[in-house]
Amino acid sequence: EAGVTQFPSHSVIEKGQTVTLRCDPISGHDNLYWYRRVMGKEIKFLLHFVKESKQDESGMPNNRFLAERTGGTYSTLKVQPAELEDSGVYFCASSQHSGTAEAFFGQGTRLTVV
Amino acid sequence: AQSVSQHNHHVILSEAASLELGCNYSYGGTVNLFWYVQYPGQHLQLLLKYFSGDPLVKGIKGFEAEFIKSKFSFNLRKPSVQWSDTAEYFCAVNLASGGSYIPTFGRGTSLIVHP
Repeated sequence: EAGVTQFPSHSVIEKGQTVTLRCDPISGHDNLYWYRRVMGKEIKFLLHFVKESKQDESGMPNNRFLAERTGGTYSTLKVQPAELEDSGVYFCASSQHSGTAEAFFGQGTRLTVV
Repeated sequence: AQSVSQHNHHVILSEAASLELGCNYSYGGTVNLFWYVQYPGQHLQLLLKYFSGDPLVKGIKGFEAEFIKSKFSFNLRKPSVQWSDTAEYFCAVNLASGGSYIPTFGRGTSLIVHP
């Protein structure tokens, strides 16, 4: 069974540019989460999809971030325009619909804004 | 606010030493608790989890954790660490949110084990 995959693994962009991160969850997992980790700090929740619907986007930093989940399958997270403070590792995770379900993580996308 | 706290951010041990990593959460409802581990160059993966029943749970690679409800704690332990346990360890709680659950993480503990 394929795990959660994220593309790209690394991205270096200039301030003001646009970047789109992609996440392919495990097939059949309704829940999809995006997180961000800035070096040395906690894994911070960004938003949560249940199928194609945004269930909770309370962690999104501002309106420069836009997440979509087309047809309840893969998800994209676009940052436009990128700022220096957006640098960090962006993790995607998916899980089955249950409070006891573990989350399965992708390897993350390391975003560096210069 | 609901949160997860890990008290040890960096731990350095020699092989065969015992390990205990602290985790406390602030949430009054039913909790589902997890420890995840991230080995160098790999993705986060589950180490162990607790939902109910025996508060002492055993996970992979000789790790265990004890849920103490009165202390809101879920500490991770291993009697004798190995060099291969060098990794980052994250405590997490599945917090209920609008009918679904959001895995909420602590800051993580970086463990370095010297051979």
